[in-house]
Amino acid sequence: GESVGLHLPTLSVQEGDNSIINCAYSNSASDYFIWYKQESGKGPQFIIDIRSNMDKRQGQRVTVLLNKTVKHLSLQIAATQPGDSAVYFCAETPASGGYNKLIFGAGTRLAVHP
Amino acid sequence: KAGVTQTPRYLIKTRGQQVTLSCSPISGHRSVSWYQQTPGQGLQFLFEYFSETQRNKGNFPGRFSGRQFSNSRSEMNVSTLELGDSALYLCASSLGKRRDTQYFGPGTRLTVL
Repeated sequence: GESVGLHLPTLSVQEGDNSIINCAYSNSASDYFIWYKQESGKGPQFIIDIRSNMDKRQGQRVTVLLNKTVKHLSLQIAATQPGDSAVYFCAETPASGGYNKLIFGAGTRLAVHP
Repeated sequence: KAGVTQTPRYLIKTRGQQVTLSCSPISGHRSVSWYQQTPGQGLQFLFEYFSETQRNKGNFPGRFSGRQFSNSRSEMNVSTLELGDSALYLCASSLGKRRDTQYFGPGTRLTVL
């Protein structure tokens, strides 16, 4: 079926370092991308989004980069903190027929060590 | 403003039974989407409701159904439960336009024995 990023890698970083989480998406027709953070026992929490007419968007301590040529999305977290430990999912919305349907990647676990 | 709420939070059923899960969206939100999360398949879209109408549907069997009420609250029903239906069921609400941010509830953990 449809998929965004089939792997579930784990990224281990030291507190204070910058983190980069990557995602490959499969649908070149998607025009909206979102990053969610999911902590244990909770639902996904919105972090940041980006539309396909942009290649970079910044939030507070986070930056999302979109490379449509290679269908790649990344989330950069500056000065990673223990509270950033969670599973991070990228998601996409198809440009047509999908309306608010989100297609999620498998996720990346971020472990922040003191 | 209160977030998305889901009830119950935990549920244990046996094979062959049916189950109904409930989702109350953020006040003012008219779209409610449902997702199934399992370790093997990840997060998968079930369906979306907007103004009491199913607007979008994922690739799940007809045993999975839903509805939305005039106050935007939504329910999903799974009939003839199978072991593989054990999952975390998440609902997300949004204002309803394309690319509006979707906010997720804490989920209902369903275990089928």
